[in-house]
Amino acid sequence: DAKTTQPPSMDCAEGRAANLPCNHSTISGNEYVYWYRQIHSQGPQYIIHGLKNNETNEMASLIITEDRKSSTLILPHATLRDTAVYYCIVRVAIYSGAGSYQLTFGKGTKLSVIP
Amino acid sequence: NAGVTQTPKFQVLKTGQSMTLQCAQDMNHNSMYWYRQDPGMGLRLIYYSASEGTTDKGEVPNGYNVSRLNKREFSLRLESAAPSQTSVYFCASSEPLRPGFDGYTFGSGTRLTVV
Repeated sequence: DAKTTQPPSMDCAEGRAANLPCNHSTISGNEYVYWYRQIHSQGPQYIIHGLKNNETNEMASLIITEDRKSSTLILPHATLRDTAVYYCIVRVAIYSGAGSYQLTFGKGTKLSVIP
Repeated sequence: NAGVTQTPKFQVLKTGQSMTLQCAQDMNHNSMYWYRQDPGMGLRLIYYSASEGTTDKGEVPNGYNVSRLNKREFSLRLESAAPSQTSVYFCASSEPLRPGFDGYTFGSGTRLTVV
């Protein structure tokens, strides 16, 4: 799986959009970009994933550059409960079979939402 | 509530003692995993089980053994605990991906200290 690079920490004012960048310059054509977050040492929580088109769900938006070498996770209106470590993971998707696949976590970005 | 349940939540062991961490999921997932997380680090895969009756080593398997007891349960055993195994242990399960959904679900973790 491709390696990712994220800033170690970021601050965001409450109510503003939080934009978390991720570089994945060695991504392969069949690899997806995934985002997870971990709140205060709880188990990681899935946020969103995408291949090349921008994606949006009830939690966040994912913007992937046209060359797919970088992406940005956007939390549109950050709240104090969004304070967490955010992990960007790049891997091949498996849509059939046993569904067994490893997630390779880096150190992530510690997002602090400030009142 | 559906999900992944880990027991115990906290444990202190003396060097050389043995113990088994228990994990159960009620989502009928085929695949289950054990990860460890050291302070300030991302999660690393210890062992996984793609389906009932099979187990495979992950990135950091040394010092651990696993048992996939049935489809629901996947246990992790430390035969002779060492201080280097002080960590937070997360169990997870997964199903094949489908568009817009990532099939990974994590438990809340077991905090293990070896003195």
